[in-house]
Amino acid sequence: EVQLVQSGAEVKKPGESLKISCKGSGYSFTSYWIGWVRQMPGKGLEWMGIIYPGDSDTRYSPSFQGQVTISADKSISTAYLQWSSLKASDTAMYYCARSGSGYDFGRWGQGTLVTVSS
Amino acid sequence: QSVLTQPPSASGTPGQRVTISCSGSSSNIGSNTVNWYQQLPGTAPKLLIYSNNQRPSGVPDRFSGSKSGTSASLAISGLQSEDEADYYCAAWDDSLNVVVFGGGTKLTVL
Repeated sequence: EVQLVQSGAEVKKPGESLKISCKGSGYSFTSYWIGWVRQMPGKGLEWMGIIYPGDSDTRYSPSFQGQVTISADKSISTAYLQWSSLKASDTAMYYCARSGSGYDFGRWGQGTLVTVSS
Repeated sequence: QSVLTQPPSASGTPGQRVTISCSGSSSNIGSNTVNWYQQLPGTAPKLLIYSNNQRPSGVPDRFSGSKSGTSASLAISGLQSEDEADYYCAAWDDSLNVVVFGGGTKLTVL
């Protein structure tokens, strides 16, 4: 069974760094793009970027370029989303999802809630 | 303001047919396929329709998608109480080089 399992909820202070994870199983991790999607409280979905674990080719939405870093470790079938300096406006649910050829996200992680508050 | 435009809300009674529209432009819906997602309260989104009108395995045939020009629609027939959820359309945008989502439509089953 294809599964994406994300790391647990985080509570951080502004200025702190954070790296959340998304572990894939049940399929060839290096053969599918993995994307990250943000959902702020009570709001809609926003596409942040995507990575191909096979060769680490990474694409970012201009809205998130320079604000986050997407990476992957294919040896442990895990993708990451990280921040070097969190802001209160980064408070949101973050989902990873496996992408098909039409940029369709057919499998989703359960989400990681990130709360940034002083 | 989302690049793809959806009505914020829709409603229907059990058994009815409802449609949700998604309007875009030549750089997204007009030149790429449309996907639809269902997000039940408190859960992760789920792919409902891909490539404009294809259903993933396990999605009931009560759900159907269509696309014409720069617009797309999701239709739900035989509405059930468990269909109450938020629905999002999405497509790749050739100008922005991102996947763009609609703002979402909250479906209420009366």
